[in-house]
Amino acid sequence: DAKTTQPTSMDCAEGRAANLPCNHSTISGNEYVYWYRQIHSQGPQYIIHGLKNNETNEMASLIITEDRKSSTLILPHATLRDTAVYYCIVAGRGSTLGRLYFGRGTQLTVWP
Amino acid sequence: EAQVTQNPRYLITVTGKKLTVTCSQNMNHEYMSWYRQDPGLGLRQIYYSMNVEVTDKGDVPEGYKVSRKEKRNFPLILESPSPNQTSLYFCASSALAGSRTDTQYFGPGTRLTVL
Repeated sequence: DAKTTQPTSMDCAEGRAANLPCNHSTISGNEYVYWYRQIHSQGPQYIIHGLKNNETNEMASLIITEDRKSSTLILPHATLRDTAVYYCIVAGRGSTLGRLYFGRGTQLTVWP
Repeated sequence: EAQVTQNPRYLITVTGKKLTVTCSQNMNHEYMSWYRQDPGLGLRQIYYSMNVEVTDKGDVPEGYKVSRKEKRNFPLILESPSPNQTSLYFCASSALAGSRTDTQYFGPGTRLTVL
């Protein structure tokens, strides 16, 4: 039961913005959208999360559509070190609190 | 330093030989979870725990057991490992921020090979 859909792979030139889309059309009520990334086979690393409003931190920006059925992670100035698999996750609440669906993610390749 | 530790990092074993992968966190987190990662399948949740003595099945619990006797530890037990459990395993922990799971911190991973 996939909760999110992401493209399998994307690429981006170094220094340019990387825009990673995610569809979560079955997101319910108060579920949050989280983004993590995994560099090679290391443990995943938290990037950002949001509920309804757009969010920005030192790593990235998160744009969530008004109907909350999709979102975009933006890395404003991608570097070679941003090459990783990016996971969009809808975090459960209520009876599904704790159930987290990582899916297959998007392999982002940043080229020089 | 806030961290999640896993041991061992690498393990090669044989079918049927019971093993335990330990996970420990020093952040006083309520929530802990185990994932496995296989090529082309992303991360799949095995078991999770919302607090001491509370555990629940994730998406792929078959063949695994867990226990949460202390807040900081969440061991993953394979009573009778089989080759299809060869995988990369990650432990994670997070606080519970009200009614949602907060940011997860992941361990470095345990690469298990079952012959």
